[in-house]
Amino acid sequence: KQEVTQIPAALSVPEGENLVLNCSFTDSAIYNLQWFRQDPGKGLTSLLLIQSSQREQTSGRLNASLDKSSGRSTLYIAASQPGDSATYLCAVIQETSGSRLTFGEGTQLTVNP
Amino acid sequence: ETGVTQTPRHLVMGMTNKKSLKCEQHLGHNAMYWYKQSAKKPLELMFVYNFKEQTENNSVPSRFSPECPNSSHLFLHLHTLQPEDSALYLCASSPRAATLYGYTFGSGTRLTVV
Repeated sequence: KQEVTQIPAALSVPEGENLVLNCSFTDSAIYNLQWFRQDPGKGLTSLLLIQSSQREQTSGRLNASLDKSSGRSTLYIAASQPGDSATYLCAVIQETSGSRLTFGEGTQLTVNP
Repeated sequence: ETGVTQTPRHLVMGMTNKKSLKCEQHLGHNAMYWYKQSAKKPLELMFVYNFKEQTENNSVPSRFSPECPNSSHLFLHLHTLQPEDSALYLCASSPRAATLYGYTFGSGTRLTVV
């Protein structure tokens, strides 16, 4: 059974700091890995999608990497801003699970002005 | 808006009520999903529809009844719910099931069962 773990569970940083969020998964046979952002009480906003053949994706100040063999992904946020405060979720879809996205529990990020 | 619209945004219902959640997408996707997000727990898949056919039911109690009349619309019919069913219910869509191209989520319906 696939398990996704996100570390740390919570992170508080001052504005302007660069930071890294970590995601690990136990079964490396994945189709893709997707990072989402969730604001309190709201739905999920897709940030970056990395297909299994890719190593990284970039969007603006965000960079996500994927190391399938070691079962790890990182989300790098450059020059953090208070508006980045949210919960960040990592999810994988396995080759053998059909369409089931398996989510981690998320990292709650607070960026202080 | 992400392209996946859920209504209502908030719903309070008694345990004997019947209500329905609605999800609509005009992204041209052929797969739609219901997920449940309870406090302090990871999102849980409930149902998957691929080209209007239900392909997964993740051992969901029968008091939750999904309906997918076409690839653009998905409903979740609710009846005789329990207080522990209170959660954020999220709808998602993708080009097709088991896709390389990722998922698009709606904003969710916050359900409170009293």
